[in-house]
Amino acid sequence: EAGVVQSPRYKIIEKKQPVAFWCNPISGHNTLYWYLQNLGQGPELLIRYENEEAVDDSQLPKDRFSAERLKGVDSTLKIQPAELGDSAVYLCASSFGGDGVNTEAFFGQGTRLTVV
Amino acid sequence: GDSVTQMEGPVTLSEEAFLTINCTYTATGYPSLFWYVQYPGEGLQLLLKATKADDKGSNKGFEATYRKETTSFHLEKGSVQVSDSAVYFCALIPSGSRLTFGEGTQLTVNP
Repeated sequence: EAGVVQSPRYKIIEKKQPVAFWCNPISGHNTLYWYLQNLGQGPELLIRYENEEAVDDSQLPKDRFSAERLKGVDSTLKIQPAELGDSAVYLCASSFGGDGVNTEAFFGQGTRLTVV
Repeated sequence: GDSVTQMEGPVTLSEEAFLTINCTYTATGYPSLFWYVQYPGEGLQLLLKATKADDKGSNKGFEATYRKETTSFHLEKGSVQVSDSAVYFCALIPSGSRLTFGEGTQLTVNP
């Protein structure tokens, strides 16, 4: 069974440019998460989807970040415009069910963004 | 708010040594507790979990016991191997809320 697939694995852009990350969750998983991981720190939730609905986006900086999950499967996270401080690893995860207690969240390998 | 505090790393051990990585938490209610592991070049993987007080999670020789009285969930392994070298994250989910991670502890095991 394929795991969570993210692309690209690495991205280098100049500040003020837009960037987009793509995530394909495990087939059948209705819950999808986007996390931000700064160097030397633990992941922090940006947004959580239940099917196509964003149910927790309180930590998403909505002035420059946006996300969508059309048809409740693949998801795209966008930053426009990017700032130097956005350099980090962006992780996507999926699970079946949303409470995380009796379901395991499976993570992709992440996209490492460098803004120069 | 809800938070997780892990012992500072990095931790360097020799093969077959005993491992303890401390984790304490602050949360309202009765959270579920997790340990995730991130091997070099790979994504985060769930290592073990415990959903109520006094539960012991175990996997691959690792163990952690949910201690409500000390709000702790320390990770232990009796004999580490070189292949255990990775970053370990303690995490919690308070009732009905988001998965919150600690800062991670880098473990290096030398042969």
